[in-house]
Amino acid sequence: GIQVEQSPPDLILQEGANSTLRCNFSDSVNNLQWFHQNPWGQLINLFYIPSGTKQNGRLSATTVATERYSLLYISSSQTTDSGVYFCAVAQGAQKLVFGQGTRLTINP
Amino acid sequence: DTGVSQDPRHKITKRGQNVTFRCDPISEHNRLYWYRQTLGQGPEFLTYFQNEAQLEKSRLLSDRFSAERPKGSFSTLEIQRTEQGDSAMYLCASSNDEVQYFGPGTRLLVL
Repeated sequence: GIQVEQSPPDLILQEGANSTLRCNFSDSVNNLQWFHQNPWGQLINLFYIPSGTKQNGRLSATTVATERYSLLYISSSQTTDSGVYFCAVAQGAQKLVFGQGTRLTINP
Repeated sequence: DTGVSQDPRHKITKRGQNVTFRCDPISEHNRLYWYRQTLGQGPEFLTYFQNEAQLEKSRLLSDRFSAERPKGSFSTLEIQRTEQGDSAMYLCASSNDEVQYFGPGTRLLVL
């Protein structure tokens, strides 16, 4: 089955810093979603981005489908950005395969 | 649009007991998914419904697990004869296209 690798596994930054999270996947996909999991466990949708670039406020994402990777950028980090970020992919409107996540800690 | 809801949010049970979780998807979403997440891991797929039909089941779904979506709306996930290894967060998601939206999860602890 398809494999998803996220890096780095952990990232600790000061408030105001910028960060880049990476997601590599092993096969072609037509669904790629980025999520933020809050401390209560809720998965919050950030982007649906099987290809191309999208921006939403301080967050943006780019997926290069031909090279099988996606990047999530967080600019001017805030403490509320802390949590675990997951990349998940699918082939068709079927099951999502998740990476192991990147745990982001933003210190004040 | 009230989002995906799950009930209960937390469940503590003793080994050997049966438990049942409920998921109410976003209204008119025809696809419903169950995932399981253990500590420090990403969610793993368990099963998937399109309307009332269960179209795929993971090998993780042993014969102690059963899921239903009788009228193509809400779904239940039952675990029989729970084991300590079943302790996890059980997540439900729904979709009408490629984008899946997740509920808050049910956190199960088996003592």
